[in-house]
Amino acid sequence: TQLLEQSPQFLSIQEGENLTVYCNSSSVFSSLQWYRQEPGEGPVLLVTVVTGGEVKKLKRLTFQFGDARKDSSLHITAAQPGDTGLYLCAGRSSNTGKLIFGQGTTLQVKP
Amino acid sequence: NAGVTQTPKFQVLKTGQSMTLQCAQDMNHEYMSWYRQDPGMGLRLIHYSVGAGITDQGEVPNGYNVSRSTTEDFPLRLLSAAPSQTSVYFCASSSWTSAGTDTQYFGPGTRLTVL
Repeated sequence: TQLLEQSPQFLSIQEGENLTVYCNSSSVFSSLQWYRQEPGEGPVLLVTVVTGGEVKKLKRLTFQFGDARKDSSLHITAAQPGDTGLYLCAGRSSNTGKLIFGQGTTLQVKP
Repeated sequence: NAGVTQTPKFQVLKTGQSMTLQCAQDMNHEYMSWYRQDPGMGLRLIHYSVGAGITDQGEVPNGYNVSRSTTEDFPLRLLSAAPSQTSVYFCASSSWTSAGTDTQYFGPGTRLTVL
C-alpha cells in the first residue's frame, strides 16, 4: 500500500510567522497536488507539480516537488488568519494512476 | 454552473439501513469519484468512474455500490449501514489538462452518522 505521510499533523502559529508542511513517501508519483479545505466544505485544489525539483509560487505559498518525485513541501510566508484550514497533499501513483491522499495538516493562524 | 452538488448534507442512519448518497455535476466531466474522510486519515477512494457505464473499485469499496448511467450523476449506495461507515463523504469530478494532469472539483460533502 502506498502511503503519503504529512507532517506536522497540527500547527498553531501567530500571524506573520512562516511555516512549512511536508509530504513524504517511499513511492514515486507522476504528479503531486496540494489542496486546502475549510470546515464544512470540500477540498479545493491549490497547485499541481509534475516535474522533479519543480517549484511553484502562489502569492505567499511556495510549493516544491522533490527531485526524485517522492516528496513535496508547502511553505507559507507571513501567515495570515485567512490561511487557517486543512492542507492536504495528494500524489498520483506512477504504478496505478490512482490519487493517494496524505492525512492532512490542520493549520491555525492566530491574529 | 453549480459544479458538484451532493445531497443530503447530513444523514443519520440506524445499523442495517440502506440509503443512497446523490452526486451530480454539470461540467460534463467523464471522471467522477467518491471518497470518505475520517479524522487523521485524509481522503480514501471508495469507487470511481471513467465514464457512463464504467465503474471500478478504489481503496475501500466494501459495503458500497455505485452505478453511472449518465455523465452527470454518480450515486453511492450503502447496502446495509454499519457504524464503521460513519464518515464524511465527498464526491468529485475531474477535468484533464493537455499536460496529462487533472483538476478535481469536490462537492460540499455528506456527513453520515450510523448509530
